[in-house]
Amino acid sequence: EADIYQTPRYLVIGTGKKITLECSQTMGHDKMYWYQQDPGMELHLIHYSYGVNSTEKGDLSSESTVSRIRTEHFPLTLESARPSHTSQYLCASSAGTEVNYEQYFGPGTRLTVT
Amino acid sequence: KNQVEQSPQSLIILEGKNCTLQCNYTVSPFSNLRWYKQDTGRGPVSLTIMTFSENTKSNGRYTATLDADTKQSSLHITASQLSDSASYICVVSDRGSTLGRLYFGRGTQLTVWP
Repeated sequence: EADIYQTPRYLVIGTGKKITLECSQTMGHDKMYWYQQDPGMELHLIHYSYGVNSTEKGDLSSESTVSRIRTEHFPLTLESARPSHTSQYLCASSAGTEVNYEQYFGPGTRLTVT
Repeated sequence: KNQVEQSPQSLIILEGKNCTLQCNYTVSPFSNLRWYKQDTGRGPVSLTIMTFSENTKSNGRYTATLDADTKQSSLHITASQLSDSASYICVVSDRGSTLGRLYFGRGTQLTVWP
């Protein structure tokens, strides 16, 4: 079992609220990722980080923002939640060797915006 | 366009039976191919990773094959158990960047009935 944690696991919130999804890992991995996954659909990369103070946008455009102040922590923030943000958000991390690097996933946060 | 296609979309089998899941990809240049198992409401967990030079890899009752010439992979599950009920996701990594971009399939939803 990978040592990567996400909180909350489930969140139901009203439109316009600000939310932060937490992700932390205890493996000392430099690379961390946020994915968005709708039911029956593939994972889409929305943010990634190579290390502290490094953040990049992924392939899927997202209104969320991320920060990486500490190696082990990679929170995702939505300033004003909307129903279109309803989805599952998965955090992952990897040690980052090029060929066979393994991505370890957290359990996910199921977000519902009403 | 880099894509990963999986079939079937869903599959129901009886406990103890074997099954094979298929994955076709067009990702280039190819780095490696992974199979993940994703239980409902959880993050994906890696089953196997295969590079270009590997054509088969086993992990307990799971055996993955790779034909890099035809760009096809399969995941064979032997003597299925109720706990095998999950979504099985094929993921292909390219060598186009330091990040090692991952391309996700939509998964095959496997249900094992007693």
